[in-house]
Parts: sequence; structure tokens; C-alpha cells
Amino acid sequence: KQEVTQIPAALSVPEGENLVLNCSFTDSAIYNLQWFRQDPGKGLTSLLLIQSSQREQTSGRLNASLDKSSGRSTLYIAASQPGDSATYLCAVGNQAGTALIFGKGTTLSVSS
Amino acid sequence: GAVVSQHPSRVICKSGTSVKIECRSLDFQATTMFWYRQFPKQSLMLMATSNEGSKATYEQGVEKDKFLINHASLTLSTLTVTSAHPEDSSFYICSASRRGRGATNEKLFFGSGTQLSVL
Repeated sequence: KQEVTQIPAALSVPEGENLVLNCSFTDSAIYNLQWFRQDPGKGLTSLLLIQSSQREQTSGRLNASLDKSSGRSTLYIAASQPGDSATYLCAVGNQAGTALIFGKGTTLSVSS
Repeated sequence: GAVVSQHPSRVICKSGTSVKIECRSLDFQATTMFWYRQFPKQSLMLMATSNEGSKATYEQGVEKDKFLINHASLTLSTLTVTSAHPEDSSFYICSASRRGRGATNEKLFFGSGTQLSVL
């Protein structure tokens, strides 16, 4: 059974720092991996989607990498801002047409 | 981009009542929708998979008679929490898989969630 783990559970950084969030999964035979942002009491905002054949995706200050063989993904946030404060969720799709399996998330706090 | 609308966004009800949550795909047809539940500071846990025109598939430990799912059309799935109790208080969120285009799970689209509070 696929399990997704995110480390750290919480992270506090001053504004301007670059940071890395980690995600690991137990079954490397994935279809895709997706990073989401969730604000308190709100739904999900999709940040980056990486297909199993891809190694990384970039969007603005965000860069996500995928290493299927080791079962790891990282989300890199450059020049963090207070507006980046949120919970970041990593989710894995095992097969086409199936639900995503989520990690517990990393709660990020960026202070000004 | 694809939009999934979920209503209501927040509901407070008395213990013993039933609550219906709607999930609509606004600009695409969704043969499959997924319902998740999220407790505070926990991950999203899959409750059930809803397929248009057929019975939902429930995850282990989810009571099918308590959480009724109906997917009567390609754009609407509903989750009804029957005889709600305080322990059912949670954040419920749906997602929809776009139909066709080969890779049906290339990207799932999520509703904005429903915060249920049972008194």
C-alpha cells in the first residue's frame, strides 16, 4: 500500500530565504506526483504536477523534482515571502484514473 | 482551467440530522469523482470513489450506509452524511477526474471543500 511522508511537519523561516520541502513515497511505481498548497480552512491549490517520466517542473519561484527510483520528491521555494505561508501537500497518483494519496503536509510560516 | 464547484462551503448542524454536500464539474464531464475527509492537522484521506451511473467504491473503514454517495450525472456527485454526529465533524473535499483525453488522471481538479460542524 502506497504511503506518502512529508518532512518536516512544520517549518519557520525569515522572509527571503530559500527552502526545500521533502516528500517520500514507498512504492516507486507511480503515475504522477503533485504538489498542492492549502490555506487554513480552504481547499487545495495545485502548484506543480510531475508525470512519472519527468524529473522536474518549474513555476515561478517554485521548482519540484522527482526521483522515482528513490521514492523522493522535493519542492524548492526561492526567495520566500510571507504570502507563501500555508500548508504544502504532496500527493501521489499510482495509476491513471485513481485517487491521489496525500502526505500530511508541511506547514510553512514565513516571517517578515 | 477546469473548475469544480463544491457547496456548501460551511455547514453547522445538530446531531442526528443529515447533510448533503454537492460537487459539480462546471466545464467538463467527470466520469469519476473522489471524496476525501480531512481532520485538523491531518492528511486528506480518501473516503470513496464515485463513478457515474454505478455504485460508489468505499475505502476500508468508511461506512457506506452513513456516507451516501450519488453520481447521477457526469457533472454532479453528492455526499450525504446521514444521522451526523460530532465525530463526523471534519473538512470534506471532492475532486473530479476529467473524462477522456487518454490519460484520465493527468490532473485531478478539487473543490473548495466543506467544513462540517456537528453540534
